[in-house]
Amino acid sequence: DAKTTQPPSMDCAEGRAANLPCNHSTISGNEYVYWYRQIHSQGPQYIIHGLKNNETNEMASLIITEDRKSSTLILPHATLRDTAVYYCIAKGAQKLVFGQGTRLTINP
Amino acid sequence: NAGVTQTPKFRILKIGQSMTLQCTQDMNHNYMYWYRQDPGMGLKLIYYSVGAGITDKGEVPNGYNVSRSTTEDFPLRLELAAPSQTSVYFCASSKPGLAGKETQYFGPGTRLLVL
Repeated sequence: DAKTTQPPSMDCAEGRAANLPCNHSTISGNEYVYWYRQIHSQGPQYIIHGLKNNETNEMASLIITEDRKSSTLILPHATLRDTAVYYCIAKGAQKLVFGQGTRLTINP
Repeated sequence: NAGVTQTPKFRILKIGQSMTLQCTQDMNHNYMYWYRQDPGMGLKLIYYSVGAGITDKGEVPNGYNVSRSTTEDFPLRLELAAPSQTSVYFCASSKPGLAGKETQYFGPGTRLLVL
């Protein structure tokens, strides 16, 4: 599975869009980009995933560059409850490989 | 659906004791996983199973054993607890999908302290 690189921490004001970047320059053609988040010691929570096209669901949007070497997770209207560690994972086989993620803090 | 449930929520063990961490899912998922998470770190895969009677090692299997006699249950066994096994343990499950395309659902975790 391809390795991903994320900034260790980010801040965002409540109500604004939070844009979390992820680099996955070695991703292979059959690997999906997955995003999970972990809110303070809880189990990780699935957010969204995509292969080539941009994706949107009720939680977030995922923008994948055309060359698939990077992606951005967008939380359109961040709330205090979105404060969490966000993991970007490039996944081909069954196993998820969690890095250290980005600690996102939403400020009032 | 209750999803993935884990028991106990918290446990203190003495060095050398043994215990079983329980994990049950009611989503009829074939795949199940055990992870551990040390403070400030990401999750590491201990063992996984693709169906009843089938288990395989993950990244950090030493000191642990698993069994999968039913689709619903995937217990994790610690035989001789060591301080290095102090961690938070998460169980997860997923249903098979196209290669790479399956979403894992996680339990709330078991916090284990070995003294």
